Amino acid sequence: DVKVTQSSRYLVKRTGEKVFLECVQDMDHENMFWYRQDPGLGLRLIYFSYDVKMKEKGDIPEGYSVSREKKERFSLILESASTNQTSMYLCASSLWQSGGGGGYTFGSGTRLTVV
Amino acid sequence: GQSLEQPSEVTAVEGAIVQINCTYQTSGFYGLSWYQQHDGGAPTFLSYNALDGLEETGRFSSFLSRSDSYGYLLLQELQMKDSASYFCAVFSGGYQKVTFGTGTKLQVIP
Repeated sequence: DVKVTQSSRYLVKRTGEKVFLECVQDMDHENMFWYRQDPGLGLRLIYFSYDVKMKEKGDIPEGYSVSREKKERFSLILESASTNQTSMYLCASSLWQSGGGGGYTFGSGTRLTVV
Repeated sequence: GQSLEQPSEVTAVEGAIVQINCTYQTSGFYGLSWYQQHDGGAPTFLSYNALDGLEETGRFSSFLSRSDSYGYLLLQELQMKDSASYFCAVFSGGYQKVTFGTGTKLQVIP
């Protein structure tokens, strides 16, 4: 089975800190994604990447950046953490499949609290 | 843009059948997916419909009507372990982007 591993399950950071969330997948998937999940808002796409060094903005990219230097690793960066970035962050990966599928494999999530 | 609507909460009795509906508005529609998420857990992929009709996988079935921009997830022979949140998600192709609904919290009661 595909495994998507997020480096931290819980994280507490101070306002203004630079925060790195790491995600690694072990099945050679081309696509990787970062979502945040908030009560009543579902999962919202922050950024995604379909290849090494490639990135695309999702629906809510403001205040975030990403890095994909290797195929298996996709990092989410909060340049200057703010309290409104307190959330559950979910990483996902999927195979490149033209025209269909969308079957994501998710990591267990990182619950980030910014104080 | 894309939007999806699904009920926020559904309650059903153990052993019964429940249907969770999802309507969507999107451009470049490729298909509709369903995910299950237990409290504190990661979402897990359940099903994907690209064509109209019913897809069955064990106790779970998923339906799509492209002309109506509508789909549903059908859970049969409900078990207590089915208590979870269920998300519909639209796959809009391109770079495999998926947009999720806000989720339906299913509570199965004895």
